[in-house]
Amino acid sequence: GQSLEQPSEVTAVEGAIVQINCTYQTSGFYGLSWYQQHDGGAPTFLSYNALDGLEETGRFSSFLSRSDSYGYLLLQELQMKDSASYFCAVSRGSARQLTFGSGTQLTVLP
Amino acid sequence: GAVVSQHPSRVICKSGTSVKIECRSLDFQATTMFWYRQFPKQSLMLMATSNEGSKATYEQGVEKDKFLINHASLTLSTLTVTSAHPEDSSFYICSASVGGGYGYTFGSGTRLTVV
Repeated sequence: GQSLEQPSEVTAVEGAIVQINCTYQTSGFYGLSWYQQHDGGAPTFLSYNALDGLEETGRFSSFLSRSDSYGYLLLQELQMKDSASYFCAVSRGSARQLTFGSGTQLTVLP
Repeated sequence: GAVVSQHPSRVICKSGTSVKIECRSLDFQATTMFWYRQFPKQSLMLMATSNEGSKATYEQGVEKDKFLINHASLTLSTLTVTSAHPEDSSFYICSASVGGGYGYTFGSGTRLTVV
């Protein structure tokens, strides 16, 4: 089976940097991705790592260590609009199905 | 970018009736689509993988006779919740890969309420 662990809640202030960690256990691993979901909305793709290392996309960066089965999402220069749920997900299987973590609720305070 | 259109966005139905949810890829062909269910404050749970022209692959514990999936064309997949009950009330979301398993685009979701 697959399991992913991430913190349930994180709180930070505007302008700060926050890191959301994700550890996973899975077979047939192809990559780790991150999604943002605002209340009542659909998930939106943020970042994907198939290989070890850091991927940077604007204010968001994602890191993967395959040997440690660990990754993180780094959000810089936090803005109020970044308040949302963040999910890590592993790609597995022949169809690259996604298995999602339980989600981290990020609250950005003024 | 790749867009997946999902309809309806909200539906309320009576217990025992069936509801169909459509998911269309607007500017790309999706040979594979995925259907998820999400309860409030919880994660997305994969229900099934929908393959164009063949039977869907259901995740363990998902009743295939209750959640009928049809993927008759490269741009349309449908999920029909049959004989809906209040416990089926949830947020249903479809998604499609935009290529190589790298990044998926999601529909806007359907909020189903069974009364």
